[in-house]
Amino acid sequence: DTGVSQDPRHKITKRGQNVTFRCDPISEHNRLYWYRQTLGQGPEFLTYFQNEAQLEKSRLLSDRFSAERPKGSFSTLEIQRTEQGDSAMYLCASATGAGGSNQPQHFGDGTRLSIL
Amino acid sequence: SQKIEQNSEALNIQEGKTATLTCNYTNYSPAYLQWYRQDPGRGPVFLLLIRENEKEKRKERLKVTFDTTLKQSLFHITASQPADSATYLCALNNNNDMRFGAGTRLTVKP
Repeated sequence: DTGVSQDPRHKITKRGQNVTFRCDPISEHNRLYWYRQTLGQGPEFLTYFQNEAQLEKSRLLSDRFSAERPKGSFSTLEIQRTEQGDSAMYLCASATGAGGSNQPQHFGDGTRLSIL
Repeated sequence: SQKIEQNSEALNIQEGKTATLTCNYTNYSPAYLQWYRQDPGRGPVFLLLIRENEKEKRKERLKVTFDTTLKQSLFHITASQPADSATYLCALNNNNDMRFGAGTRLTVKP
């Protein structure tokens, strides 16, 4: 168990640019989640995959946000035409599918996005 | 609208005392409730899970209660240590809809 890894750890970009973040979950976990966390708040759920299927995406913040998990392993989160308000920590978590949807989630240490 | 409130932004206690953190929720019927610990610059780390039909769960110095009538969970750390200083998040889970509170920042002073 090498844990959930996220890359990059920090991203600084100019407003209007596109950014893509990568998440590598724990290898035997088939569920993968993306969250956004702003200062002083808890993580805010964005989207969820079971294997390669994106089963929930209605809570993505706008149509500028999209996520993929093409082979059911790593996942990417893309933000197009970034805005100042997109500055936040983006967290990825994974969980085993065994035992239902209540399983504890294992989080990475996030990608901190700063929009200039 | 659905709301999750954790009792206070910050809680300061003396080493050795019991820390009690509160999580209240409204307009929500979670099947499960989880508590996580988060250190600055790190992702949350899972601590305990309690189901709606369970009243209490323990793990070492940690204890969680879940009262679905009061719509409240209490999280206790007994014999607290400075190393317990962190932000503690409660999370409500119904299917794959996981919602977090804003967290309580606990500081344990030696």
